[in-house]
Amino acid sequence: EPEVTQTPSHQVTQMGQEVILRCVPISNHLYFYWYRQILGQKVEFLVSFYNNEISEKSEIFDDQFSVERPDGSNFTLKIRSTKLEDSAMYFCASSDLAYRTDTQYFGPGTRLTVL
Amino acid sequence: AQKITQTQPGMFVQEKEAVTLDCTYDTSDPSYGLFWYKQPSSGEMIFLIYQGSYDQQNATEGRYSLNFQKARKSANLVISASQLGDSAMYFCAMRVTGAQKLVFGQGTRLTINP
Repeated sequence: EPEVTQTPSHQVTQMGQEVILRCVPISNHLYFYWYRQILGQKVEFLVSFYNNEISEKSEIFDDQFSVERPDGSNFTLKIRSTKLEDSAMYFCASSDLAYRTDTQYFGPGTRLTVL
Repeated sequence: AQKITQTQPGMFVQEKEAVTLDCTYDTSDPSYGLFWYKQPSSGEMIFLIYQGSYDQQNATEGRYSLNFQKARKSANLVISASQLGDSAMYFCAMRVTGAQKLVFGQGTRLTINP
């Protein structure tokens, strides 16, 4: 069964450093997403991506964040200068379409710890 | 704006009993989808079941069913014959037409006791 994969599973970084979180969406999916979950809190939407462009983003997704699809399979989230409050689980998701009925399938997550 | 409310932070159930996890939602959009996800202690988010706002029948997927009451804006998840492996966090989420994001509730931690 196809699944979304994410690497690394855990990333530890120093405050102010840049990190890149990687995702491989399900191969025939067209829409890609990043969410984050601060420990003990609910899952929050960051950004959606379609046709090599950001299609929707939240107020959390400020200038320190960027997304890219560098090749035909990978989808990345870059955080330019990490802050302590960026410590969270980051989930990548993908879906066939972007209609309300279309299920978003999530990867296993990357736990980011900023020291 | 859309909002999902899960009022049960934690629930404890005996194995083999049925359990209902509550979810209420708020939106002015007439066209929306409701989703339930399971998050085990390992952290991944597993899709369980979907209900569309125009669906006439309640959704079912194996031991999971969704008690959809549109007038009350509730979409409760029912797990029949609970198993130890059902112990996890459960999140209700919503997506409206025209939006791509899922809006999640705070989640309910379900613990199944042997």
